[in-house]
Amino acid sequence: AQKVTQAQTEISVVEKEDVTLDCVYETRDTTYYLFWYKQPPSGELVFLIRRNSFDEQNEISGRYSWNFQKSTSSFNFTITASQVVDSAVYFCALSEAAGGSYIPTFGRGTSLIVHP
Amino acid sequence: DTEVTQTPKHLVMGMTNKKSLKCEQHMGHRAMYWYKQKAKKPPELMFVYSYEKLSINESVPSRFSPECPNSSLLNLHLHALQPEDSALYLCASSQGEGLGNTEAFFGQGTRLTVV
Repeated sequence: AQKVTQAQTEISVVEKEDVTLDCVYETRDTTYYLFWYKQPPSGELVFLIRRNSFDEQNEISGRYSWNFQKSTSSFNFTITASQVVDSAVYFCALSEAAGGSYIPTFGRGTSLIVHP
Repeated sequence: DTEVTQTPKHLVMGMTNKKSLKCEQHMGHRAMYWYKQKAKKPPELMFVYSYEKLSINESVPSRFSPECPNSSLLNLHLHALQPEDSALYLCASSQGEGLGNTEAFFGQGTRLTVV
């Protein structure tokens, strides 16, 4: 069973539009971690944010914001006033305890294309 | 220095070749990882090293052989690979075992093509 669902395979927007990338997760653990990573065409995975299961505060970092809702098991990511440089694949990941370690499971990713 | 450096960036090898991928970090991280990523797929964990010891092997075929010579270096030795092994191989590191509870840093990856 897929633990992290990113239902949007590809999103295409025009520059300056706001865009929200959805992430729904599934876990029975009470302690877990959620992540968002950005993967530009160069291939490197860029860490964006980490959230633990006890911290439901939403976070804003510049044009990026994240909405964590345990009631709906969602951890959505919004980019405000999108730019061409935001074009990338975005991965949501869930990390659960496994033998004392926390190893993440990645969603399938959402490819964001921002047109000028 | 917050970089994870992977070499080479691109590698083409024949099915009878032996090659190695290298990964280096100087952040004092004690956990290092190899991931495999096929085109349009998410990264899949292969190996985890914690304090220079192999702690997780995700049932990876023996034609992939990891090695951690010291706390800064991680190698992946390749032998008798198949064309389906062509992928982006990503190395990552974090302060402690498990990416979940600490920020993870990824390298740019090695794009491997097996011919």
